[in-house]
Amino acid sequence: GAVVSQHPSWVICKSGTSVKIECRSLDFQATTMFWYRQFPKQSLMLMATSNEGSKATYEQGVEKDKFLINHASLTLSTLTVTSAHPEDSSFYICSARDLTSGSTDTQYFGPGTRLTVL
Amino acid sequence: EDKVVQSPLSLVVHEGDTVTLNCSYEVTNFRSLLWYKQEKKAPTFLFMLTSSGIEKKSGRLSSILDKKELFSILNITATQTGDSAIYLCAVATTSGTYKYIFGTGTRLKVLA
Repeated sequence: GAVVSQHPSWVICKSGTSVKIECRSLDFQATTMFWYRQFPKQSLMLMATSNEGSKATYEQGVEKDKFLINHASLTLSTLTVTSAHPEDSSFYICSARDLTSGSTDTQYFGPGTRLTVL
Repeated sequence: EDKVVQSPLSLVVHEGDTVTLNCSYEVTNFRSLLWYKQEKKAPTFLFMLTSSGIEKKSGRLSSILDKKELFSILNITATQTGDSAIYLCAVATTSGTYKYIFGTGTRLKVLA
């Protein structure tokens, strides 16, 4: 199946700093990628849909100025958590659709990034 | 408002038992229902269901969708400790834009 990578796997930063997380589709092109947030023992919550070459679509309640998304190429989307605070600590997971596959509804997930803000 | 509900939230069984996980949904513009298994990191794909009444099967796992009653079940027979994980149900929808709506997840623990 298609492979999606994320970098870094985990990051610890001080409050007030910005953190960038990368999501790459390794063996396919992804015009659309998705960013999720997952709290401990909870399910995945969609934050935004990242569209190559255009603005991201944010879900209700997600601050677009706080969580900056850039999808500059067909294989890379980035999520920047700006001025991070402890409440931003969470597990962030990206996913991508492979529209060339026979199953375009299947999303392939990255391994996730654990962010801890001190 | 679109929603996906899974039950039970948590389940503890012994090896060899059979378990049934439930997923019910209320969404507009339903496309498909998907099951994922999440252990420590990324969810891994199990099944995608689009048609009612057609069972999908992979080894000890099977799943079926009922689009009239708006639910799906995931069955695991002869459970093993390696089946311990969170099982996530997601509905793909095009309400507004294409996206997944995830259920709450079922945390399964299989004891040796």
